[in-house]
Amino acid sequence: GAVVSQHPSRVICKSGTSVKIECRSLDFQATTMFWYRQFPKKSLMLMATSNEGSKATYEQGVEKDKFLINHASLTLSTLTVTSAHPEDSSFYICSARDLGGGMKAGGRDEQFFGPGTRLTVL
Amino acid sequence: QKEVEQNSGPLSVPEGAIASLNCTYSDRGSQSFFWYRQYSGKSPELIMFIYSNGDKEDGRFTAQLNKASQYVSLLIRDSQPSDSATYLCAVGSNQGGKLIFGQGTELSVKP
Repeated sequence: GAVVSQHPSRVICKSGTSVKIECRSLDFQATTMFWYRQFPKKSLMLMATSNEGSKATYEQGVEKDKFLINHASLTLSTLTVTSAHPEDSSFYICSARDLGGGMKAGGRDEQFFGPGTRLTVL
Repeated sequence: QKEVEQNSGPLSVPEGAIASLNCTYSDRGSQSFFWYRQYSGKSPELIMFIYSNGDKEDGRFTAQLNKASQYVSLLIRDSQPSDSATYLCAVGSNQGGKLIFGQGTELSVKP
């Protein structure tokens, strides 16, 4: 299947700093990427849909000025957590759709997930 | 009513038994259905996808879809301790490729 990478895998930062997380599709082009966060023992919560060359679409309740998303190319989307606070500590996961995969992959709507980034804000 | 519902578990089965995981969804127009497995501290990985009513088998895994009942299930035959994980049901939302996830069912396979 398609490969998605995330960097960094783990980050610890001080309260008030900003943290950038990168999501890359390594062997396919992804016009759409998704950003999720997950708290312990909870399911994935979609934060935003990132579209190449256009503004991200944020889910209700997600602050777009706090979680800045940039999708500058067909293989890279970044999430920047600005002025991070301890309550932002979470597991952040990106995913990407392989539009060229068709039925070879999962076909319609299949998302390939990155390995996740564990953010801890002190 | 949640859009995608799963029993949170934990579901405990003995090694070698069949594990049955269930999921219901609210949008009758949904067309694509996925089962992801997530180990603790890791991101989800796709196990099965299914689009048509009926059964779809892949090795020890069988996905079952009943659109009339808005129900999708995953059967794991000959369960192994390595199958112990959280299983996430996801439904395509027909909104730009978004997936709606259930809360996940924790499966524990006892040796």
